[in-house]
Amino acid sequence: KNQVEQSPQSLIILEGKNCTLQCNYTVSPFSNLRWYKQDTGRGPVSLTIMTFSENTKSNGRYTATLDADTKQSSLHITASQLSDSASYICVVSFNTNAGKSTFGDGTTLTVKP
Amino acid sequence: DAGVIQSPRHEVTEMGQEVTLRCKPISGHDYLFWYRQTMMRGLELLIYFNNNVPIDDSGMPEDRFSAKMPNASFSTLKIQPSEPRDSAVYFCASSFGSSDNEQFFGPGTRLTVL
Repeated sequence: KNQVEQSPQSLIILEGKNCTLQCNYTVSPFSNLRWYKQDTGRGPVSLTIMTFSENTKSNGRYTATLDADTKQSSLHITASQLSDSASYICVVSFNTNAGKSTFGDGTTLTVKP
Repeated sequence: DAGVIQSPRHEVTEMGQEVTLRCKPISGHDYLFWYRQTMMRGLELLIYFNNNVPIDDSGMPEDRFSAKMPNASFSTLKIQPSEPRDSAVYFCASSFGSSDNEQFFGPGTRLTVL
């Protein structure tokens, strides 16, 4: 069964600090991996999309890494801000078909002043 | 562009009633997705369309759910009859060029079935 597991389930950090969120998957064959940010009461917003051949992608203070050999991805947030408080969802697709996507349960990040 | 538009934003109905959720994708996008999100199951893809044609509906939970896309600027998700376990937030998203490209999500419809 294809699975996507995210850790930690929740995380609290102080404003200005860095943090790293993890995503481990067993999806095979692999097409792409996406990270979304979801603010409370709003729809998810895409942060990064990585294919099998990419091992890092940045979007401002967000940097995603991918190790296709170990089937692990991480999302690193630099110099956190209060607005980073949100749920971060990892989604892995295979067979180049969005209908064949597996979603992680998300990590809830709280940034405190 | 106004982004993906969904209506209504909130819907409260009684068990057994028909519910219709509406979505207007971003102009020019050729892929449209319907998702459901609950605390228990997280975010789930229900169905997606390409050029108004349903491509994969394997995520649709049962026959009570149906989705249509009569034209490039409008889609509906219908639940008939509704049940309390259908209570969730339903998101519509659209993308351009590929189902693997960045998806832009609407604000969601929060459905409560009493």
